[in-house]
Amino acid sequence: GAGVSQSPRYKVAKRGQDVALRCDPISGHVSLFWYQQALGQGPEFLTYFQNEAQLDKSGLPSDRFFAERPEGSVSTLKIQRTQQEDSAVYLCASSPTRGTEAFFGQGTRLTVV
Amino acid sequence: EDQVTQSPEALRLQEGESSSLNCSYTVSGLRGLFWYRQDPGKGPEFLFTLYSAGEEKEKERLKATLTKKESFLHITAPKPEDSATYLCAVHGDSWGKLQFGAGTQVVVTP
Repeated sequence: GAGVSQSPRYKVAKRGQDVALRCDPISGHVSLFWYQQALGQGPEFLTYFQNEAQLDKSGLPSDRFFAERPEGSVSTLKIQRTQQEDSAVYLCASSPTRGTEAFFGQGTRLTVV
Repeated sequence: EDQVTQSPEALRLQEGESSSLNCSYTVSGLRGLFWYRQDPGKGPEFLFTLYSAGEEKEKERLKATLTKKESFLHITAPKPEDSATYLCAVHGDSWGKLQFGAGTQVVVTP
């Protein structure tokens, strides 16, 4: 596709529910990133993939957060047993190679009620 | 740990009133400094990459410069459509991790 595509755009989850957020990167992009953005703040790094390998997951806030990219293309960010503090916009980005500019999707706004 | 501080937090400009945004950074081994624009409800949109002190990049009314400790985004004769939040981010020793600042919210009034 022309850009990074994320789905769903909006997700409302009841506290304790599991959610899965999808990211379709730009075709051919090797690097893929997940970020979390709270209102009025800059994006905070969650995790990074180089092809299918998850090279850095130091930003994942707890073991309830899990990300995968099994075939080196589409990625899924899963949050188990959601809590209110998980409410945020989740951004996915991809870049052609490591260290070059990253292109972001529109984000998924998650609201936990 | 890499740190990025942006100032001011918010900036209100009259159309045509030029100004500059600041991005101060501390990083162990700068591999790149990035500027993004973010409109409400959208993801960040890439503007510039700067790699070394003294480098400058321009795009329409925007010009980004880089020193060893900070970067500036100059907005010349802004228009209302330049209203957005401008984010600065750095790539340090950890290749995969872009460290973002909190952003500067710019409002340009006619």
